[in-house]
Amino acid sequence: DAKTTQPNSMESNEEEPVHLPCNHSTISGTDYIHWYRQLPSQGPEYVIHGLTSNVNNRMASLAIAEDRKSSTLILHRATLRDAAVYYCILRGFSYNTDKLIFGTGTRLQVFP
Amino acid sequence: EAQVTQNPRYLITVTGKKLTVTCSQNMNHEYMSWYRQDPGLGLRQIYYSMNVEVTDKGDVPEGYKVSRKEKRNFPLILESPSPNQTSLYFCASSPRSGGEQYFGPGTRLTVT
Repeated sequence: DAKTTQPNSMESNEEEPVHLPCNHSTISGTDYIHWYRQLPSQGPEYVIHGLTSNVNNRMASLAIAEDRKSSTLILHRATLRDAAVYYCILRGFSYNTDKLIFGTGTRLQVFP
Repeated sequence: EAQVTQNPRYLITVTGKKLTVTCSQNMNHEYMSWYRQDPGLGLRQIYYSMNVEVTDKGDVPEGYKVSRKEKRNFPLILESPSPNQTSLYFCASSPRSGGEQYFGPGTRLTVT
């Protein structure tokens, strides 16, 4: 099963950009790169996902390396509400399985 | 409102007393999963379902059962709960393979 590696924790100041890295060296060609975040006392929340090209949405941007072995979630201007645990996972397109491995994620602290 | 609901949200029970945690989604999603979350271990997948009557084991299926008789419902059954199943449980649904997942609010289970 493809796994991801993330730093345990990161810090940022409010209104600064944040770059959250993720390594996934065993990614396969049909794996989508997903990012979720979990705020305290809540369920995980979908942030963004992509396959090969960089992706943008209202919450964040996802930059995917050319070899797809790493990616970076970019929060353009961190707010206190962005303090959460961020999970990077690989979710394959498959007709046979939907097995997923989440890992322990990166805890982001945002300081005023 | 599109959502995933879980019931109950909190449950305290005793060892060996069978229980069911319900999960329902109103988005007509084909894919559904159950996860447990424990301190230091992140989210771990218990079971998943790719459609009605199609279920399979995730990473930690021991001690759990699931069923998928209807598209919208995916109950998690603990036939004989034990204290090591004390955990925070999340249900999630997804519209397609490789697509984004939507999580429920969680069920905190304590087995004494």
